Amino acid sequence: DVVMTQSPLSLAVTLGQPASISCRSSQSLVYSDGNTYLSWFQQRPGQSPRRLIYKVSNRDSGVPNRFSGSESGTDFTLKISRVEAEDVGNYYCMQGAHWPWTFGQGTKVEIK
Amino acid sequence: QVQLVESGGGLVKPGGSLRISCVASGFSFSDYYMTWFRQAPGKGLECVSFISGSSGDTQYAASVRGRFTISRDNAKNSLYLQMDSLRVEDTAVYYCARPSREPGDWGQGTLVTVSP
Repeated sequence: DVVMTQSPLSLAVTLGQPASISCRSSQSLVYSDGNTYLSWFQQRPGQSPRRLIYKVSNRDSGVPNRFSGSESGTDFTLKISRVEAEDVGNYYCMQGAHWPWTFGQGTKVEIK
Repeated sequence: QVQLVESGGGLVKPGGSLRISCVASGFSFSDYYMTWFRQAPGKGLECVSFISGSSGDTQYAASVRGRFTISRDNAKNSLYLQMDSLRVEDTAVYYCARPSREPGDWGQGTLVTVSP
């Protein structure tokens, strides 16, 4: 199985400050169709996961533009340019290139 | 708008069976691969199984292979997960989602508790 190593596992951020979450995959996430299937999800307490980013850097409709995704080889990054109170929750990366799809361990984002 | 509504969760004893369902609306159900994910209490997310639109392609996580069966009824816009030989470690909220590789739409989940 592809191992997704996420860091940090927890993050306390001051409102208005940037935050960054890293996700490293144990192998390439480029599928045979040429796409890289790396997504980022936000899960607020008591809610279902919500996709923020798909195919590395494509922001979902309705997702604030303070969220962005990038890659460097098998290293992927989710950045929040200025953290707001509503960003509190758990964040997961997920690969959909190789079955079984696998998730990172999650990063808990709190407000300092 | 897309809606996915799971149901059928509950309390079951180890070794028992349960079938959970997901009713879809707001999109052409038969055109999409569908996936079941789960999340144990206080834990992370795990994929369980997926099925193609025609039901011709299915896959299972190693932890459930041989015990769980995914199916769908496109006429009813419904996805199912038959869970047999349940174990305590299968306790989780089960979510249906689409599309499979990069799920952008999720249901609210249904809780399955396996306990003596």
